[in-house]
Amino acid sequence: EPEVTQTPSHQVTQMGQEVILRCVPISNHLYFYWYRQILGQKVEFLVSFYNNEISEKSEIFDDQFSVERPDGSNFTLKIRSTKLEDSAMYFCASSDRVRGTEAFFGQGTRLTVV
Amino acid sequence: GNSVTQMEGPVTLSEEAFLTINCTYTATGYPSLFWYVQYPGEGLQLLLKATKADDKGSNKGFEATYRKETTSFHLEKGSVQVSDSAVYFCALSDGSGAGSYQLTFGKGTKLSVIP
Repeated sequence: EPEVTQTPSHQVTQMGQEVILRCVPISNHLYFYWYRQILGQKVEFLVSFYNNEISEKSEIFDDQFSVERPDGSNFTLKIRSTKLEDSAMYFCASSDRVRGTEAFFGQGTRLTVV
Repeated sequence: GNSVTQMEGPVTLSEEAFLTINCTYTATGYPSLFWYVQYPGEGLQLLLKATKADDKGSNKGFEATYRKETTSFHLEKGSVQVSDSAVYFCALSDGSGAGSYQLTFGKGTKLSVIP
């Protein structure tokens, strides 16, 4: 069964450092997403990506965040200068074009900023 | 904007008890509705979905019916098992954004089932 894979599973970084979270979406999917879940809180939408550009982003997704699909298979989230409050589980998801089709989620990357 | 409200947890039930987790939503247009489950230490998995009013989604003994008149999508299971212990998230997608079917999640309800 196809799945979304994310690497690394856990990353620890120092405040102010840049991190790149990586995702390989399901190959025939067209919509890609990043969500985050701060410990004990709800899952929050960050950004969606379609046709090689950002299609929507939330107010959380400020200038320190960026996304890229560098090679047609990977989908990355870059956080330029990490803050303590960026510590969270980051989920990548992908979906097909059909309305109502489920989004498939990866296992997540736990980011800890120290 | 869109929002999802689900009952606060945690919920603790004995094995074979009946489960209901309430979920109501606010959305523009006609959203699709989902229940996702997160087992301890794992990512999110789709449990069931419904894409239009009066649809019933079902999977693994869980059911939820899309009620447009009450804007609700309550999750039910007739007899829970210890293996159902997890966090359950209600979510909607209205596809109103161009090129996006982003999900709006509720806060999650933690279910613990004891033998």
